[in-house]
Amino acid sequence: DMKVTQMPRYLIKRMGENVLLECGQDMSHETMYWYRQDPGLGLQLIYISYDVDSNSEGDIPKGYRVSRKKREHFSLILDSAKTNQTSVYFCASSLSGGAYYAEQFFGPGTRLTVL
Amino acid sequence: AQSVTQPDARVTVSEGASLQLRCKYSYFGTPYLFWYVQYPRQGLQLLLKYYPGDPVVQGVNGFEAEFSKSNSSFHLRKASVHWSDWAVYFCAVSGGGSALGRLHFGAGTQLIVIP
Repeated sequence: DMKVTQMPRYLIKRMGENVLLECGQDMSHETMYWYRQDPGLGLQLIYISYDVDSNSEGDIPKGYRVSRKKREHFSLILDSAKTNQTSVYFCASSLSGGAYYAEQFFGPGTRLTVL
Repeated sequence: AQSVTQPDARVTVSEGASLQLRCKYSYFGTPYLFWYVQYPRQGLQLLLKYYPGDPVVQGVNGFEAEFSKSNSSFHLRKASVHWSDWAVYFCAVSGGGSALGRLHFGAGTQLIVIP
């Protein structure tokens, strides 16, 4: 069963705390992505990973970092979270990030609130 | 730079009526275009995708979209809307060059179905 999973689904943190969002996929996809979704803005790409330890910044990388040590697992880290990082975060994966037409498969999202 | 505009933040239709959701894109060259749907509290799912060929693309659940290069548009249509189509719909264009494989999303259109 092709699936992208995200943990946790809901998270409340205080400003200045560190945040770890986890994403897994069981499709052996090379490429993985982290997006955030805010009302009226659609999805914005934070980071893209083309394979293990091969990560590139997306459109809004400031305040975030990522880690990919295994192909099936991709983490998003917020060091010292800020209130403006309150959002819904989506992870996605695709078979090949080098193809125009590669379908991205999305996880269910993590709703992060930073107080 | 690639971009997508969805001019309607919200569309309301009666169940059984026809539907058109608008999407305008900006892209130098031949675009690869996608429509995704997001049901409440879920991740995005692919409805259909376009790559160069037949301008009318068929998707799941009776959805179709028509590509127009002259109008820079990729509108989504459905002949008869069902209550289960209540969701947010996102149009996206795939990047090229250094952004190969990256998706640029519109802000989304909320579809409301009334009985």
